[in-house]
Amino acid sequence: DADVTQTPRNRITKTGKRIMLECSQTKGHDRMYWYRQDPGLGLRLIYYSFDVKDINKGEISDGYSVSRQAQAKFSLSLESAIPNQTALYFCATSDFYRDTGELFFGEGSRLTVL
Amino acid sequence: EDQVTQSPEALRLQEGESSSLNCSYTVSGLRGLFWYRQDPGKGPEFLFTLYSAGEEKEKERLKATLTKKESFLHITAPKPEDSATYLCALLLDTGRRALTFGSGTRLQVQP
Repeated sequence: DADVTQTPRNRITKTGKRIMLECSQTKGHDRMYWYRQDPGLGLRLIYYSFDVKDINKGEISDGYSVSRQAQAKFSLSLESAIPNQTALYFCATSDFYRDTGELFFGEGSRLTVL
Repeated sequence: EDQVTQSPEALRLQEGESSSLNCSYTVSGLRGLFWYRQDPGKGPEFLFTLYSAGEEKEKERLKATLTKKESFLHITAPKPEDSATYLCALLLDTGRRALTFGSGTRLQVQP
């Protein structure tokens, strides 16, 4: 099984629908992240969390919300999806104590908003 | 404004043809620079961490170097399996302790 698991892997939805992307990890890391990837724009940070009670906005948090349900689970929600939120979404984790900048990524969730 | 720029956007090499990818940055404070490899349909995979100018790291055919303004990822005698997108990322000396990624270089190595 993968260390960082994202569900769903692919989702097609309509404008205005509420969508949740889920991420779970078995690495025992405290830090978790949500990034969005668009062609030509690289990875952009949406939200990050350093522990269950610590949630921080990234550079593109508008239109998104997150929930850290447990150390191992970090969910990303789109309350009312819009077409420009069509993208590939990645969850990642890192180890606080090593702090080497090594992120462990999931396989990605491809979201299409029609 | 903090910026990270990768060049070229895409690079096509013949097998065995060595080259370099560039990551240049203008930031107020750099704590570390990181290189990742991303295969199509996959999440990025960590390659190297560089913390200070003059530092070098090597792994198989890859060598990463760092100056005060840029980093290079040198690829020596590449093979087709080196084809991927290579991303650089910065950890800045600001309150936000999360990586800022460049847009990447798509490398294709032809046999």
